[in-house]
Amino acid sequence: NAGVTQTPKFQVLKTGQSMTLQCAQDMNHNSMYWYRQDPGMGLRLIYYSASEGTTDKGEVPNGYNVSRLNKREFSLRLESAAPSQTSVYFCASSVGTVSTAFFGQGTRLTVV
Amino acid sequence: AQTVTQSQPEMSVQEAETVTLSCTYDTSESDYYLFWYKQPPSRQMILVIRQEAYKQQNATENRFSVNFQKAAKSFSLKISDSQLGDAAMYFCAYRSTYNTDKLIFGTGTRLQVFP
Repeated sequence: NAGVTQTPKFQVLKTGQSMTLQCAQDMNHNSMYWYRQDPGMGLRLIYYSASEGTTDKGEVPNGYNVSRLNKREFSLRLESAAPSQTSVYFCASSVGTVSTAFFGQGTRLTVV
Repeated sequence: AQTVTQSQPEMSVQEAETVTLSCTYDTSESDYYLFWYKQPPSRQMILVIRQEAYKQQNATENRFSVNFQKAAKSFSLKISDSQLGDAAMYFCAYRSTYNTDKLIFGTGTRLQVFP
């Protein structure tokens, strides 16, 4: 099993550019999540999707949009990247909202 | 709002020795889940151990065990017979059974293992 797969693993953007981070899981999980990890701050929830067709804001949603394309895929879009969005981004999924979350390998994004 | 606190930014241990990582949390809820995740240099977040708050028995997974003190809101991780491969960032996390969409993380403890 591949588990949770994120692409790309690394990305450098210029301020104002847009991009989409892709995430796919092959575990038939209902719930999917996007987190960002910053030094000294742990992981913070950006958006989540409890099921196909639904998305909700997390703790730090500003500057991001998401799409739950189908049960497998959950993408995160930066419409106009800012240096404050330099971070490591993690996608995660879980069977339901109370079960253990499994994480992708992360995307290191740098905005210059 | 729930919070998770890891007061040890860094810890070190000698190979084969035992180390305990601390975690405290704040919540007014009675039912919840607690987790320890390991993040090695590869960045992958790996589940180490999970504890349900309604269970009095402390969870164990091979060399990893927890000391769950519900009244004190404490959830420490003990690593026995430490190995070089245990070197990583360790994150404590809280998940409510009511607001089930959030997995709240502490700021992490970096564990170094010396031969």
